[in-house]
Amino acid sequence: SQKIEQNSEALNIQEGKTATLTCNYTNYSPAYLQWYRQDPGRGPVFLLLIRENEKEKRKERLKVTFDTTLKQSLFHITASQPADSATYLCALYSGTYKYIFGTGTRLKVLA
Amino acid sequence: GAGVSQSPSNKVTEKGKDVELRCDPISGHTALYWYRQRLGQGLEFLIYFQGNSAPDKSGLPSDRFSAERTGESVSTLTIQRTQQEDSAVYLCASSFQSSTDTQYFGPGTRLTVL
Repeated sequence: SQKIEQNSEALNIQEGKTATLTCNYTNYSPAYLQWYRQDPGRGPVFLLLIRENEKEKRKERLKVTFDTTLKQSLFHITASQPADSATYLCALYSGTYKYIFGTGTRLKVLA
Repeated sequence: GAGVSQSPSNKVTEKGKDVELRCDPISGHTALYWYRQRLGQGLEFLIYFQGNSAPDKSGLPSDRFSAERTGESVSTLTIQRTQQEDSAVYLCASSFQSSTDTQYFGPGTRLTVL
């Protein structure tokens, strides 16, 4: 069955460093992949979408890569700030207008 | 403009009761999704509405769950004979039209079944 894995352990990094979060998937060939940010008690907020024929996508301090051979997406936040602390979810398009979401990785940026 | 709104924000009910959760999507958005998020878990797809097409109900966990949408506006998710395992945050999202369009999420309804 289709499976998405995100590191369930929280990631703690020092302010100013680059945070890298991983999304791995199996039994799957998604055409699109999205990353969302979720703060406690709130719904997810869309950050970036990357297509299967795109290797990399950037938006301000965010960068997403999509390696369809490794079946992996990496999400980078450069020059991280305490305000970047949140849970980050990856979501893969499973066809028929549905996305399958990972469980998310909690990021904490330490001042 | 207003984002996606959901009501109530919190709902506490007794096991066996029925509950109704409401979602008001962004005006003009033809696609509407319901998800369930259990504590510490990812989002679990429940149902998808697109315009006037038949909804995709493939994610509904049991026949106690049902949802309706009036045209391209309000949607209600109904859970009958609630069980404790139904306790979760129920999230609604809407998008403009297609699979690659951004999903805008509401704040969710936190359901607690005692």
